[in-house]
Amino acid sequence: GNSVTQMEGPVTLSEEAFLTINCTYTATGYPSLFWYVQYPGEGLQLLLKATKADDKGSNKGFEATYRKETTSFHLEKGSVQVSDSAVYFCALNNRLAFGKGNQVVVIP
Amino acid sequence: DAEITQSPRHKITETGRQVTLACHQTWNHNNMFWYRQDLGHGLRLIHYSYGVQDTNKGEVSDGYSVSRSNTEDLPLTLESAASSQTSVYFCASSDRLVGELFFGEGSRLTVL
Repeated sequence: GNSVTQMEGPVTLSEEAFLTINCTYTATGYPSLFWYVQYPGEGLQLLLKATKADDKGSNKGFEATYRKETTSFHLEKGSVQVSDSAVYFCALNNRLAFGKGNQVVVIP
Repeated sequence: DAEITQSPRHKITETGRQVTLACHQTWNHNNMFWYRQDLGHGLRLIHYSYGVQDTNKGEVSDGYSVSRSNTEDLPLTLESAASSQTSVYFCASSDRLVGELFFGEGSRLTVL
């Protein structure tokens, strides 16, 4: 079936550091891939998406590339800010599967 | 502006009571979803609907029901609340099957 695996545990890093959150998936066919972000006390909102292999989604300085050969969609940002502190979810064709989420804490 | 609203935002109830969480969206989206969010489990799909009179079970549907009598609303009912249903519940909608999901702000339910 469809599933998404995100790296375990929270991520704590200093302001201006490089952020990577790993996401791998299992799916039949050619799914669309998404990253959602949840700020404290809020619902989830779409951060970026990619609908086919080799597509790169980008928004707010975040990027993720749809890699069919490695079934991955890793999220990256070159220089994080305190305001990026949130929980990040990788998702497969939306409702079908969400990863467990990663809490990101950026320290000034 | 179009939006999706959930009510109540916070609810405390007792084991065995019936509880209904409301979800209302003004985008005229056909697709609506209910998730629960728990530490260590992420988001899990409870029920979803692709249109009026259509409802489908998700991965954790036991103990929950939904009905879709109009496009705007998808209420979630817990027939007999259990402590295991203490969670944060999110409603979401989308206009396409693989399009962006728009989430409500969540309803925190505590079952004592």
